[in-house]
Amino acid sequence: DAGVIQSPRHEVTEMGQEVTLRCKPISGHNSLFWYRQTMMRGLELLIYFNNNVPIDDSGMPEDRFSAKMPNASFSTLKIQPSEPRDSAVYFCASSPDRVMIGELFFGEGSRLTVL
Amino acid sequence: EDKVVQSPLSLVVHEGDTVTLNCSYEVTNFRSLLWYKQEKKAPTFLFMLTSSGIEKKSGRLSSILDKKELFSILNITATQTGDSAVYLCAVEAGPQGGKLIFGQGTELSVKP
Repeated sequence: DAGVIQSPRHEVTEMGQEVTLRCKPISGHNSLFWYRQTMMRGLELLIYFNNNVPIDDSGMPEDRFSAKMPNASFSTLKIQPSEPRDSAVYFCASSPDRVMIGELFFGEGSRLTVL
Repeated sequence: EDKVVQSPLSLVVHEGDTVTLNCSYEVTNFRSLLWYKQEKKAPTFLFMLTSSGIEKKSGRLSSILDKKELFSILNITATQTGDSAVYLCAVEAGPQGGKLIFGQGTELSVKP
C-alpha cells in the first residue's frame, strides 16, 4: 500500500487566498484525521471522520477552516481566507479502527506558508 | 479540558546514555496511550499501551503505563545518534473514542 498521500507537499500563498489541502487515506481505513503542527502548539487535532462522517471538529480554529470527506478515499481541508498565523505543517492520518484507534498512519504532511 | 504533558521538552545526551521520557495526562474516557517518534517528517508509531504495569519492549526502547497515577514513561537504553528525534506521547480519549490528543513532544539529541 502507498500509505497516506497528501498534496501539495509545500504551498506558499499570500494572505487572503484560498488554500485546499488534499488527502488520500490508506485503503480500507475507517477513520481519517487532520492535524496541524507548529512549534508553539505542537500537534493539534483539527477534525476527524469515521466512515466519512465528521465526528469531532472542535479543534477547527474558526469558520475560515472547513473539511470534507466526500468518499472513503478522499478528504480536503480548506482555508478561506488564509492568514499568516495559519502557517504550519498540516498532517492527514488514517486508522483502520473506528472505535479504538490503535496506530495512526500519517502522511508526509503539507507545509503551508502564508505571507 | 483534555491535556497531555510531556517532560522534559528537550534533552541532550551522549551515545550510550540511558534516557527516560515522561508523559502525564488528564483526559476523559481514557482508552489508550501511544508513543511516536518524529524525525524530519511524519510521526512513526512506537508503542500502544492500554493496561497498567505491562511493559512494552522493542529493542532498546521500552514503555510502561500507570493508569492510577496517569502517566507513562519511555525508556531508551544505550542511546545512538539515530535516536535523535522528537518523541511524542498521545492519548486516545473521548466518549466515542477516536480522539488522539498529543503532547508537546520531547526533543532528544544524542551526541556522538
